[in-house]
Amino acid sequence: EDKVVQSPLSLVVHEGDTVTLNCSYEVTNFRSLLWYKQEKKAPTFLFMLTSSGIEKKSGRLSSILDKKELFSILNITATQTGDSAVYLCAAHGSGNTGKLIFGQGTTLQVKP
Amino acid sequence: GAVVSQHPSWVICKSGTSVKIECRSLDFQATTMFWYRQFPKQSLMLMATSNEGSKATYEQGVEKDKFLINHASLTLSTLTVTSAHPEDSSFYICSAIGSVSYEQYFGPGTRLTVT
Repeated sequence: EDKVVQSPLSLVVHEGDTVTLNCSYEVTNFRSLLWYKQEKKAPTFLFMLTSSGIEKKSGRLSSILDKKELFSILNITATQTGDSAVYLCAAHGSGNTGKLIFGQGTTLQVKP
Repeated sequence: GAVVSQHPSWVICKSGTSVKIECRSLDFQATTMFWYRQFPKQSLMLMATSNEGSKATYEQGVEKDKFLINHASLTLSTLTVTSAHPEDSSFYICSAIGSVSYEQYFGPGTRLTVT
């Protein structure tokens, strides 16, 4: 059965800290891994990773995929209170349906 | 970027009634739409995959007769929760993908409360 597991499930840090969120996956015919940020409404897209070892970066956020070890990390440097959210990892697997399998999410709280 | 809307954003209904939620792709044609349900402090759980002009594919454990999905056009899919019960109260989110890439664009979600 396809599954995506995130860790930690929750994290509390102070502004300025750096955090690393983890995502491991077991997905048939893996195609890509996606990261989303969810605040009060629907998830917003952060990154899509398809190739191993190539870091994607957007401001203070960066992410990388390891297809050999079947995991990805999301790094946030110099955290701000606005980074407080649930971060979801999802894997796109078999077939051409576009179906995503989501992990449980990591709840990040950044304190001032 | 691609925009997906949902209507209504919030609905309260009485137990036993039916509720219809609409999902529209506003600036692209969505060959496939997905319906998710999210309970508090939990992740998104895929309920069904909806392809235009064909029957939806439901995930294991999702009752197709209770959650009716119709994808009548390339820009609209609807989810009808029939004979709603309080345990159906949840956040329902749709997403859509176009014909070019598999990037999913999420709607803003519909919060359903069944009293």
